[in-house]
Amino acid sequence: DAMVIQNPRYQVTQFGKPVTLSCSQTLNHNVMYWYQQKSSQAPKLLFHYYDKDFNNEADTPDNFQSRRPNTSFCFLDIRSPGLGDAAMYLCATSNSGLYGYTFGSGTRLTVV
Amino acid sequence: QKEVEQNSGPLSVPEGAIASLNCTYSDRGSQSFFWYRQYSGKSPELIMFIYSNGDKEDGRFTAQLNKASQYVSLLIRDSQPSDSATYLCAVKRNRDDKIIFGKGTRLHILP
Repeated sequence: DAMVIQNPRYQVTQFGKPVTLSCSQTLNHNVMYWYQQKSSQAPKLLFHYYDKDFNNEADTPDNFQSRRPNTSFCFLDIRSPGLGDAAMYLCATSNSGLYGYTFGSGTRLTVV
Repeated sequence: QKEVEQNSGPLSVPEGAIASLNCTYSDRGSQSFFWYRQYSGKSPELIMFIYSNGDKEDGRFTAQLNKASQYVSLLIRDSQPSDSATYLCAVKRNRDDKIIFGKGTRLHILP
């Protein structure tokens, strides 16, 4: 089945220790998104790739970076995680934004 | 004013009754509207999308859109305990095509 896969499902990292979250898709969608969702809050868009074009949200902290080496894969790098970065990180894809987004299962990040 | 507003709930509905979830949005030029269901600890799942004024039905779900009032709703008929979840309203913003989510309404179906 075509899908969006995020690894790992759960990630524990130490305060200040760089961490990378990964996302892959078999839908061949041209747009990939990273959202951060904290408890009882709306998913917050961090950035997205339209094909190879990177688009950063104005309020996304510099601590967050992203890479998309090819159509299928996208990575979220958190350079120095703080306690406030503990959240669910959601990867989503779309075909030029049509018909909404398809989400991966998410990665729950804990910072200790 | 928030771009997408929803009552956070919880909304408690008896099993078998109709659950009505509401959402308002601020961007009058928005054209595409989505409802996602999110179970606790899971990622959002798209259940309905609507582009035109009026009603759109899919099984037990009906999405309703009123662009003049900037209002979109979701009706769930014959509510089941498995419908207990948070329902996120999402609106595709006209100026940049980004989808903006509301905080969600927590729905609890009472057995």
